[in-house]
Amino acid sequence: DAGITQSPRHKVTETGTPVTLRCHQTENHRYMYWYRQDPGHGLRLIHYSYGVKDTDKGEVSDGYSVSRSKTEDFLLTLESATSSQTSVYFCAISESGQGNQPQHFGDGTRLSIL
Amino acid sequence: AQSVAQPEDQVNVAEGNPLTVKCTYSVSGNPYLFWYVQYPNRGLQFLLKYITGDNLVKGSYGFEAEFNKSQTSFHLKKPSALVSDSALYFCAVRDVSKSTGANNLFFGTGTRLTVIP
Repeated sequence: DAGITQSPRHKVTETGTPVTLRCHQTENHRYMYWYRQDPGHGLRLIHYSYGVKDTDKGEVSDGYSVSRSKTEDFLLTLESATSSQTSVYFCAISESGQGNQPQHFGDGTRLSIL
Repeated sequence: AQSVAQPEDQVNVAEGNPLTVKCTYSVSGNPYLFWYVQYPNRGLQFLLKYITGDNLVKGSYGFEAEFNKSQTSFHLKKPSALVSDSALYFCAVRDVSKSTGANNLFFGTGTRLTVIP
């Protein structure tokens, strides 16, 4: 398995609180991604990074921000959590940005916002 | 934008029988297609990909997929299903960002495969 660690694995919080999820990789891959998984929607891209301090928005980026200050860490922040952001969040990494190599996934963070 | 569709939410098959999980795609240009599998409480695991070349692609755990350009399909297949194949399967296609040109993945909604002993 690719060396990807997501933390925390589970979190319950209240509406309006800030939440930060962490993705840590040991593969030294340049590309990193944050997805959310919801029933009936599959996986949807929130944000991605193509290098240190280089990030861009995905399909469902509203309400989320990201930061990447080191190659190995990619943080996802919900500035003020809402119940609609209850989901399972996955981080992925990829060695290539050409689209011809697979992405490798962490085991996810289950986030519940009450 | 590129997209994929998985027309079946659920597929049931008897152990030992062949299985097929369907995926159709909509792309401009040549598609880069992927299959992933997800077991409970785990992330997605890569099974196989089609980039170019032979239409029949072989992957992990005895799975294979057939790229069919005329039918715009990329169905996942296995000759003999195992109970341990029961999982959630996702098809994905390369999607190029209009704003940055970045190559990302667009995922289907998933198909739950149940192999019945």
